[in-house]
Amino acid sequence: EVQLVESGGGLVKPGSSLKLSCVASGFTFSSYGMHWIRQAPKKGLEWIALIYYDSSNKYYADSVKGRFTISRDNSKNTLYLEMNSLRSEDTAMYYCAKTGSAGYYFDYWGQGVMVTVSS
Amino acid sequence: DIQMTQSPASLSASLGETVTIECRASEDIYNGLAWYQQKPGKSPQLLIYNANSLHTGVPSRFSGSGSGTQYSLKINSLQSEDVASYFCQQYYDYLTFGSGTKLEIK
Repeated sequence: EVQLVESGGGLVKPGSSLKLSCVASGFTFSSYGMHWIRQAPKKGLEWIALIYYDSSNKYYADSVKGRFTISRDNSKNTLYLEMNSLRSEDTAMYYCAKTGSAGYYFDYWGQGVMVTVSS
Repeated sequence: DIQMTQSPASLSASLGETVTIECRASEDIYNGLAWYQQKPGKSPQLLIYNANSLHTGVPSRFSGSGSGTQYSLKINSLQSEDVASYFCQQYYDYLTFGSGTKLEIK
């Protein structure tokens, strides 16, 4: 059974940093691209970052480019999202998700971790 | 960027009814489209990928169709457990979501 478990969320002040983790199990983590997707309260879904299976390529949404960094450690089956210069508009539930086998859709999602940016 | 326009924003239907949700892309996305279901307080779950392929374990009352810029998700024989928000997502060019459809039981 595929499982993705996020951690590291919390309440932080504007301008601060936070690092999210996502531990994967139930599939060969090192063979799949992974994503971070977020959802502001009562809002829709926003894809924010993709990392290839071997970390050779990384892509970001314009809203987080230059502030967020996606990375992975295949030896630990773990995906990361380092978030710097956080803003109030970054307040959201953050999900990690696995790339599908037939395209860049998301076939499995974690339960999500909440990040609140407020003074 | 490809924009996804999803309709309706909300929908109320009776048990056993058939409902259809639509997504229109701002340009041809060549069937690079997925549908997700998000139940209240839960993470999204994949229903359909490549416009019309059913994800593992998804009931056959869910189906997807469409081509070019117009796509739809159909739910046959609506059941109480289908109460959720539904999102489309294109992955032909970068990755963008529709704004969602909230489905309720009448």
